[in-house]
Order: sequence, then structure tokens, then C-alpha cells
Amino acid sequence: AQSVTQPDIHITVSEGASLELRCNYSYGATPYLFWYVQSPGQGLQLLLKYFSGDTLVQGIKGFEAEFKRSQSSFNLRKPSVHWSDAAEYFCAVGSNTGNQFYFGTGTSLTVIP
Amino acid sequence: DAGVTQSPTHLIKTRGQQVTLRCSPKSGHDTVSWYQQALGQGPQFIFQYYEEEERQRGNFPDRFSGHQFPNYSSELNVNALLLGDSALYLCASSLGLYSPLHFGNGTRLTVT
Repeated sequence: AQSVTQPDIHITVSEGASLELRCNYSYGATPYLFWYVQSPGQGLQLLLKYFSGDTLVQGIKGFEAEFKRSQSSFNLRKPSVHWSDAAEYFCAVGSNTGNQFYFGTGTSLTVIP
Repeated sequence: DAGVTQSPTHLIKTRGQQVTLRCSPKSGHDTVSWYQQALGQGPQFIFQYYEEEERQRGNFPDRFSGHQFPNYSSELNVNALLLGDSALYLCASSLGLYSPLHFGNGTRLTVT
């Protein structure tokens, strides 16, 4: 069965520093991978997605993620974090039927001035 | 272009009661999925509706049921509420399989 692991429950970075959030997935075929961001009291907003092709995908708000099949990973990166990036980040993998997404437990990001 | 809208935003119910949550999908989307997000957890798939039928269901009891209307809007019903049903219920819409989900802001359900 598909599953997603986000090893870091909480990360704190300084504003302007680089960021990498880890995501590992379990999936038998080519995965459909997503990163979502959730601000307090809000729903989830799609940052980026990977379906196939180039393993480095660009998203909104300056985020990017790299798909590494050999490591079953899809880590999210940003070169310079802004205070407004403080939020909860979720990695997700689509099911083989395309009907449901499996989400990780999330990584909470705190940005300090 | 309106996104996914959910109502109500907050709801307080007593154990054993029944609740109905509503969702209007993003314009142009024909598929609605419901997710439950417990505090400190990622969203868990409840079920998905397409063409007014439940297409797939997650690991949730029959107390959870839903409906999709001809205009693609949807309802989530939960019967015999338990304290453990307290959560944020998220509706997401999409167009076709394997397409990204667009989420509403959710309904916060508290069961006392």
C-alpha cells in the first residue's frame, strides 16, 4: 500500500536561510507526488506536483522539489525562506487508481527573524 | 473564479447526534473528495464522489456517508457522532483522475 513519511515533525529556520523538508514514499509504480502547504485555520494549497519527466519540479512561492526514485524521496526546497512561509507542509502520493491521496503527518515550519 | 467552498466553518455537536457538512467544488471540477484531518495529523481519505456515485472509499465506518448532486456539490453526513469524530473535515475537488486536489478551508467539527 502507498504511504508517505515525513521524518521531521518540526523545523525552525532563520529568515533568509535555505530550507529542505524531507519526504519519503512507498509506492510500487511511478508515483504521483505532491507538496501542499496549510496555514493555520486554512485548507491545503498545492505548492507543486510531480507526474513524470524532469525530476526537478518548480512550484509556487519559489519552492522546488526533486524526485529521486533510488531513494524513494521527494524533498521540498527553498533557497531563501521568508517569514510568510511559516506553516504546515504536507507531502502526498496519489493512489494507483488516481482516486485518493495518501498524506504524510506534516512538518511544521517556524521562521525566526 | 470561486474556489472550493465549505459550510459551515465551525460546528459543535453532542455525542450521538448527526451532522451534515456541505461543499461546493471549484468551477469546472466534477469530482469531490472528503478528508478528515485530526489535530496534528495529515488528512485521511474518507471517500470520493464522481457522477453522483461514490467511486472509492477509505477506511471509515458506514456512519460516514455522502452524496453528490447534479451540480457537483456534495454533502458529508456523519451519524451517531463519537468524541473521536472531532476533526477538521476538508472537501477537495478535482477534474479527472490523477489531477491535483483543490481544497476548501474545511469545517471544524467538535463533538462534546
